[in-house]
Amino acid sequence: GAVVSQHPSWVICKSGTSVKIECRSLDFQATTMFWYRQFPKQSLMLMATSNEGSKATYEQGVEKDKFLINHASLTLSTLTVTSAHPEDSSFYICSAAGGTEAFFGQGTRLTVV
Amino acid sequence: GESVGLHLPTLSVQEGDNSIINCAYSNSASDYFIWYKQESGKGPQFIIDIRSNMDKRQGQRVTVLLNKTVKHLSLQIAATQPGDSAVYFCAEMAGSYIPTFGRGTSLIVHP
Repeated sequence: GAVVSQHPSWVICKSGTSVKIECRSLDFQATTMFWYRQFPKQSLMLMATSNEGSKATYEQGVEKDKFLINHASLTLSTLTVTSAHPEDSSFYICSAAGGTEAFFGQGTRLTVV
Repeated sequence: GESVGLHLPTLSVQEGDNSIINCAYSNSASDYFIWYKQESGKGPQFIIDIRSNMDKRQGQRVTVLLNKTVKHLSLQIAATQPGDSAVYFCAEMAGSYIPTFGRGTSLIVHP
């Protein structure tokens, strides 16, 4: 199946700093990528949908100025958590759409201390 | 989504038993469904899918059943193995490729 690479797999940062997470589709072009957030023992919550070359569409309640999404190419989308706070600590997962199927990255465990 | 804020139910089985994981979906317009397996600390992995024009689809050791009348989806795992221990999510899609995830079920397989 198609491969989506997410980097880093885990990151620890200090409060107030920004963290960038990358999502790459390795063997296909993804016009659309999705960013999810997952708290422990809960389901995946869609944060935003990003289309290559245009602004991301954010789900209700997700702060677009805090979670900056850039989708500059057909194989790369980035999520930047700005001015991170401990409550932003979570598991962030990206997925890339190829046809009718979405392929998921391995996730990034963000811990803000 | 429907799963926001809800904790995962758990299914415990013995190795070798068959497992059945259930999922209720919400959108009667959904026409494509996927089961995902998520191991601890990893992203979801595709297991099997089914379209709304089908009632049943079989894969290797897994079977998905779809009942559109009651908006219910199930995943059957035959001869469950310890490596099957994970969280299983169903996802529904209605004319797009944006999956809406169900609440998930934690499967624990005891050797």
